[in-house]
Amino acid sequence: EAQVTQNPRYLITVTGKKLTVTCSQNMNHEYMSWYRQDPGLGLRQIYYSMNVEVTDKGDVPEGYKVSRKEKRNFPLILESPSPNQTSLYFCASSLGVSSFTEAFFGQGTRLTVV
Amino acid sequence: AQKVTQAQTEISVVEKEDVTLDCVYETRDTTYYLFWYKQPPSGELVFLIRRNSFDEQNEISGRYSWNFQKSTSSFNFTITASQVVDSAVYFCALSKRDYTGANSKLTFGKGITLSVRP
Repeated sequence: EAQVTQNPRYLITVTGKKLTVTCSQNMNHEYMSWYRQDPGLGLRQIYYSMNVEVTDKGDVPEGYKVSRKEKRNFPLILESPSPNQTSLYFCASSLGVSSFTEAFFGQGTRLTVV
Repeated sequence: AQKVTQAQTEISVVEKEDVTLDCVYETRDTTYYLFWYKQPPSGELVFLIRRNSFDEQNEISGRYSWNFQKSTSSFNFTITASQVVDSAVYFCALSKRDYTGANSKLTFGKGITLSVRP
């Protein structure tokens, strides 16, 4: 089954404690990205990757890091989480930049930073 | 810059009513894609439709229909004979079609919360 898998689904952590949200897709997609969803703001892009070892900032990258060492994985790293990073996070993948299909989204990760 | 406006924030209807969710977009690109996604209470994002900028034909899928009008930069979504299971947040989104390798991000509207009462 084609899917994007995020883990964990729910996470409560304390300010400053490094965490990683994993994202994996099994569709051999080139393009992957991370979004955060906040009430009244919709979804905003954090980082994106057009292929292995190619990543760049989206609209709200501050406080986040990513890596793309393998095509299928695109983890989101919060080195020192703060309460304003409490949000619902989505990983997405799509076939490629030049043949844009719909984005497939993971199930979401609800992060609470206290 | 791209922008998507969903002016309606919350809509409440009674089951079996028809409801239209509005979406207005702004872009300078001549080639782009428009999308609708559904987010049920469980939280996942469910793809509903993709429309490219060269295809202005309306689309119908069961009780769902979409009206794309480039002249008014709108891509409205109508649910006919709404059901309780249609209760969700609905997002309209826009993406440019770019062959240069630039970021093909989705620009989302803020979403419309639809509540369908029995």
